Amino acid sequence: KNEVEQSPQNLTAQEGEFITINCSYSVGISALHWLQQHPGGGIVSLFMLSSGKKKHGRLIATINIQEKHSSLHITASHPRDSAVYICAVRSLAFNTDKLIFGTGTRLQVFP
Amino acid sequence: EAQVTQNPRYLITVTGKKLTVTCSQNMNHEYMSWYRQDPGLGLRQIYYSMNVEVTDKGDVPEGYKVSRKEKRNFPLILESPSPNQTSLYFCASSFAGKAYEQYFGPGTRLTVT
Repeated sequence: KNEVEQSPQNLTAQEGEFITINCSYSVGISALHWLQQHPGGGIVSLFMLSSGKKKHGRLIATINIQEKHSSLHITASHPRDSAVYICAVRSLAFNTDKLIFGTGTRLQVFP
Repeated sequence: EAQVTQNPRYLITVTGKKLTVTCSQNMNHEYMSWYRQDPGLGLRQIYYSMNVEVTDKGDVPEGYKVSRKEKRNFPLILESPSPNQTSLYFCASSFAGKAYEQYFGPGTRLTVT
């Protein structure tokens, strides 16, 4: 079993829909990252969370440390949101620069 | 502009021909890492460095070498590339500590024939 699991693996939506991507992890963590990878391949950091909730524009990320779960929400989705969204955690087991990655959620938003 | 640069962006080479992929950051970050990304496997860490002259193995270090002689540069060396090293490679950097954002380079698509 992977230490970081994302769901769903693939997601399609119509423009304007509210989208939720989930990330569950099985290790103690010091931080959780949400990353976005567009079809061109580049990776951009969207959020880094250690507790609570963060919002940036139409994107909202939440984390529940007790339940070992995080969600990424996209409100009023747009075709330009089409990308792969990757969850990554920094494990407490390592006092190093080690991230454990989920395999990603591929999102397609159609007009 | 704060950025992580990688070169080359695309490379096709043959088995056994030594190659180096360069990575440079201009943000004075202590931490730097190399990852490879393969379909269905996600991103996996190859090597990381916590500061100059401090490097350590990640999850998939076999067949790779790194060095960190300067803070800004962290080259990835494939001494004798093999077809199973065909992949998309990313360099990343961040400040030291557990709660800093990761900055990724644009990626290097390597094909070994």
